[in-house]
Amino acid sequence: DGGITQSPKYLFRKEGQNVTLSCEQNLNHDAMYWYRQDPGQGLRLIYYSQIVNDFQKGDIAEGYSVSREKKESFPLTVTSAQKNPTAFYLCASGGQPNSPLHFGNGTRLTVT
Amino acid sequence: AQSVTQLGSHVSVSEGALVLLRCNYSSSVPPYLFWYVQYPNQGLQLLLKYTSAATLVKGINGFEAEFKKSETSFHLTKPSAHMSDAAEYFCAVSDRGRDDKIIFGKGTRLHILP
Repeated sequence: DGGITQSPKYLFRKEGQNVTLSCEQNLNHDAMYWYRQDPGQGLRLIYYSQIVNDFQKGDIAEGYSVSREKKESFPLTVTSAQKNPTAFYLCASGGQPNSPLHFGNGTRLTVT
Repeated sequence: AQSVTQLGSHVSVSEGALVLLRCNYSSSVPPYLFWYVQYPNQGLQLLLKYTSAATLVKGINGFEAEFKKSETSFHLTKPSAHMSDAAEYFCAVSDRGRDDKIIFGKGTRLHILP
């Protein structure tokens, strides 16, 4: 079955450590996205990529980094510079422009 | 810039009653609009989409939405609520024709009362 896989589902880290969240898709989609979800704030766009080896900052990119070396993969690194990293992170992919996004099941990151 | 406003962060309805979740959008071009549903600790699932083919759009699980250009609205309805409809619902507008972004509203949590 085609879809998006995010791993792990739950992640715990100590403050000051970088952490990388995995996102893999087998839908052959060109575009991939990372969103952050906090209670009452909806989804906020962190980074997105429309093509391999290229990506753009979203609305809240500070403290995050991404890479897009393969079409199928779009990992997100939460760096120690991110002041409030504890959140639910969602990865998505999209095919044709204006078509709906497909979402993974998310990674819940807790930093203490 | 495009934007989406969802009125009401929480909505409660009785089982069997009408569900109405409100969404207003702002767009400088003809929009593509979507409704998604999210169950706890899961990703978002597409309920329905408006792509200008018809103003009344039917989706999954008995939901439908009507595009009203004059009111810049895309409200989601379901005639009879079921306990399994309890979830968070997001309205979204596509900017993908320009810079490939989809803008989400802040979400409405739907509570179903027995």
